[in-house]
Amino acid sequence: QSVLTQPPSASGTPGQRVTISCSGSSSNIGTNTVNWYQQLPGTAPKLLIYSNNQRPSGVPGRFSGSKSGTSASLAISGLQSEDEADYYCAAWDDSLNGRLVFGGGTKLTVL
Amino acid sequence: EVQLVESGGGLVQPGGSLKLSCAASGFTFSGSAMHWVRLASGKGLEWVGRIRTKANNYATVYAASVEGRFTISRDDSKNTAYLQMNSLKTEDTAVYYCTRHQWESRAGHWFDPWGQGTLVTVSS
Repeated sequence: QSVLTQPPSASGTPGQRVTISCSGSSSNIGTNTVNWYQQLPGTAPKLLIYSNNQRPSGVPGRFSGSKSGTSASLAISGLQSEDEADYYCAAWDDSLNGRLVFGGGTKLTVL
Repeated sequence: EVQLVESGGGLVQPGGSLKLSCAASGFTFSGSAMHWVRLASGKGLEWVGRIRTKANNYATVYAASVEGRFTISRDDSKNTAYLQMNSLKTEDTAVYYCTRHQWESRAGHWFDPWGQGTLVTVSS
């Protein structure tokens, strides 16, 4: 069982807005920034959002992140078929002596 | 182009050993901490461990699931990080990725880029 909790699945139709939640605790999300990674089928993970809400260059503006207290969210607006992937949140956990924790991952299906 | 390329994966029997390599290019490898992350089939990403730079005494830290069995090292002269895996168990079967640690004082820490991964299968 992962330290960060994500819904195992999410879905939406093209053009819709979808959100994926990530719930943690005071020792991880409550204290440290949250990053999101996208893993397309058969490929390596890719940085999608860093520092809670920052998009690396090349990531479309349709992707946005937010954090409040011990929870974080990833929002995808204008959903596209190529967004079908696994999404993971991640944060450092101060109670684990500098170890990083991932969420269990959310499989996004574009219907 | 910043690039990471893993190698060394394969089939190994339970109790055996394997050493993975991660060759880096396109950035100052010696100035970056490096991490290993794995993905088992049907499961999510699991952080394995990291090694810091020479300036930080090459300090390592590991996930509880691999501590005492896995060792991360690096050779800055070869721009390569390593993951030595001993006493392998069937549950260590996964694709192993190496990734660069990025950090900014006001933005925190993140991983970018990631290598393409190398498959390790532990089976008799």
